[in-house]
Amino acid sequence: DGGITQSPKYLFRKEGQNVTLSCEQNLNHDAMYWYRQDPGQGLRLIYYSQIVNDFQKGDIAEGYSVSREKKESFPLTVTSAQKNPTAFYLCASSKYGTPADEQYFGPGTRLTVT
Amino acid sequence: AQTVTQSQPEMSVQEAETVTLSCTYDTSESDYYLFWYKQPPSRQMILVIRQEAYKQQNATENRFSVNFQKAAKSFSLKISDSQLGDAAMYFCAYRRRDFGNEKLTFGTGTRLTIIP
Repeated sequence: DGGITQSPKYLFRKEGQNVTLSCEQNLNHDAMYWYRQDPGQGLRLIYYSQIVNDFQKGDIAEGYSVSREKKESFPLTVTSAQKNPTAFYLCASSKYGTPADEQYFGPGTRLTVT
Repeated sequence: AQTVTQSQPEMSVQEAETVTLSCTYDTSESDYYLFWYKQPPSRQMILVIRQEAYKQQNATENRFSVNFQKAAKSFSLKISDSQLGDAAMYFCAYRRRDFGNEKLTFGTGTRLTIIP
């Protein structure tokens, strides 16, 4: 079955540590996205990538980094510079160049930093 | 910059009744797309319905329909014959039509409760 996987579902880290969230898709989509979800704030775009080896900052990129070495994979690193990293993180993908198409979302990763 | 506003943080409806969720947006673009996404307790985001701004006809998907008022920049979602499985957070989202610009801007969501 085609879809997006995010692992792990729950992640716990100590403050000051970098942590990498995994996102893999087998939908053959060119574009991939990372969103952060906080209570009462909806989804906010962190980074997005439209093709391999290229990515752009979203609205809240500070304290995060990404890579896009393979079409299927778009890992997100939450660095120690991110002031409030505890949140729910959602990865999504879509066909590139087709704005009418929906973005498909993964099941999310809940990150807790203490 | 585009903004999306959902002014109803919570709504509730009796099972089998009809409920309307509100969404307004702000944009200077004339062509764009609007979406309603559902996020059930599992937190998996699911597309409910989409509307293309250049189409005057309101989109419909089974029990879900929209009231798209382009001049008023309003995009409400109507759920008919509400079912227990409709209980979820609902997010309104906007996307420009530009080629290569697939960024979604989301509202803050409306939590819908279904009363048995």
